[in-house]
Amino acid sequence: QKEVEQNSGPLSVPEGAIASLNCTYSDRGSQSFFWYRQYSGKSPELIMFIYSNGDKEDGRFTAQLNKASQYVSLLIRDSQPSDSATYLCAVSRSGNTPLVFGKGTRLSVIA
Amino acid sequence: GAVVSQHPSWVICKSGTSVKIECRSLDFQATTMFWYRQFPKQSLMLMATSNEGSKATYEQGVEKDKFLINHASLTLSTLTVTSAHPEDSSFYICSAINPRRQGSYEQYFGPGTRLTVT
Repeated sequence: QKEVEQNSGPLSVPEGAIASLNCTYSDRGSQSFFWYRQYSGKSPELIMFIYSNGDKEDGRFTAQLNKASQYVSLLIRDSQPSDSATYLCAVSRSGNTPLVFGKGTRLSVIA
Repeated sequence: GAVVSQHPSWVICKSGTSVKIECRSLDFQATTMFWYRQFPKQSLMLMATSNEGSKATYEQGVEKDKFLINHASLTLSTLTVTSAHPEDSSFYICSAINPRRQGSYEQYFGPGTRLTVT
């Protein structure tokens, strides 16, 4: 059974702080790792993807991957109230394979 | 980023009727699309993988005769919910992989279709 685990939250952080979201996965064959943001009533929006161990930065977002520990995280710097949403971690083996999603972490950024 | 559209965005139908949902990739060709379902406060659950020119692959527990999938072209996949019942009321979302770069597997989602069966 391929599983992706996330803390459901809610994770509350003050505006301007760093939000840290974590995810673990069970399938060691996973090669592709994604973070999606989903606002209530909307479909997921891709915000980061990472394929190699280490860090990947894109603006205020940094994804971190540690395949040995089967762990992937997302850091959001200078958190804004508009970042308040559910963040979904997703993994796949590779190529045209479907994503396996975690249940998501609800983030609340307090102004 | 890639654009995936869905139509309709919401639909209300009576129990026993059928509903067709369209998923289109607007600026790229998608040989593979995926259909997900999301119930309130739950995560996305994969229903099926739609492959252009061949039969869809359904996940365990998803009735292929009830959820008909047709991937008629490289830019269009359709999901038909046949003989809909109130328990089929959900948020249906499609996604497609944009093969714009070799080794790139980013999957983009359509805006979703909210189905309510009365």
